[in-house]
Amino acid sequence: AQSVSQHNHHVILSEAASLELGCNYSYGGTVNLFWYVQYPGQHLQLLLKYFSGDPLVKGIKGFEAEFIKSKFSFNLRKPSVQWSDTAEYFCAVIGEKLVFGAGTILRVKS
Amino acid sequence: GAVVSQHPSWVICKSGTSVKIECRSLDFQATTMFWYRQFPKQSLMLMATSNEGSKATYEQGVEKDKFLINHASLTLSTLTVTSAHPEDSSFYICSASTLSGALYEQHFGPGTRLTVT
Repeated sequence: AQSVSQHNHHVILSEAASLELGCNYSYGGTVNLFWYVQYPGQHLQLLLKYFSGDPLVKGIKGFEAEFIKSKFSFNLRKPSVQWSDTAEYFCAVIGEKLVFGAGTILRVKS
Repeated sequence: GAVVSQHPSWVICKSGTSVKIECRSLDFQATTMFWYRQFPKQSLMLMATSNEGSKATYEQGVEKDKFLINHASLTLSTLTVTSAHPEDSSFYICSASTLSGALYEQHFGPGTRLTVT
């Protein structure tokens, strides 16, 4: 069965700090990987996705993620966060179906 | 583009009554719509997948007689929670896809908060 694990439920950072959110998945077959973001009061939005090719994927708003197949990981990174990055971030994996992690709430202090 | 709306955004109902939640794709035709449920501090759980004009496919453990899904047109799917109970209180989110079976092209609605008293 598929599962997705996000390492932290709450993260608090100061502006300009670097961000890394962990995501691990379990699935025996080929996967497609996603990070979604949900800003307060808004819809889920796609940040970035990995299907194949270069395992380092760049998304919107300066985010990137690296797929490490041997570690079953797809961690999200941003070198310098802004107050406007305050949101909830979801890692998701498609194997047989789209399965979400529990989410990480990021609060950026200005 | 690819906007999905849900109505209502929140609803409170009494135990034993039924509640209908609408999901609409506003600027595209959605051949497939998905319904998710989210519990506090937990991930979104897929409840069912519906293709326009067909019966919905429910995930294991989801009662199809309790959660009635209708996808009668390419822009509208409805989820009806029948004989609601307090344990049905949750956040329900729909998503819509432009291609049948295209799991990765999902556009999400804003969600509906259901509270059953």
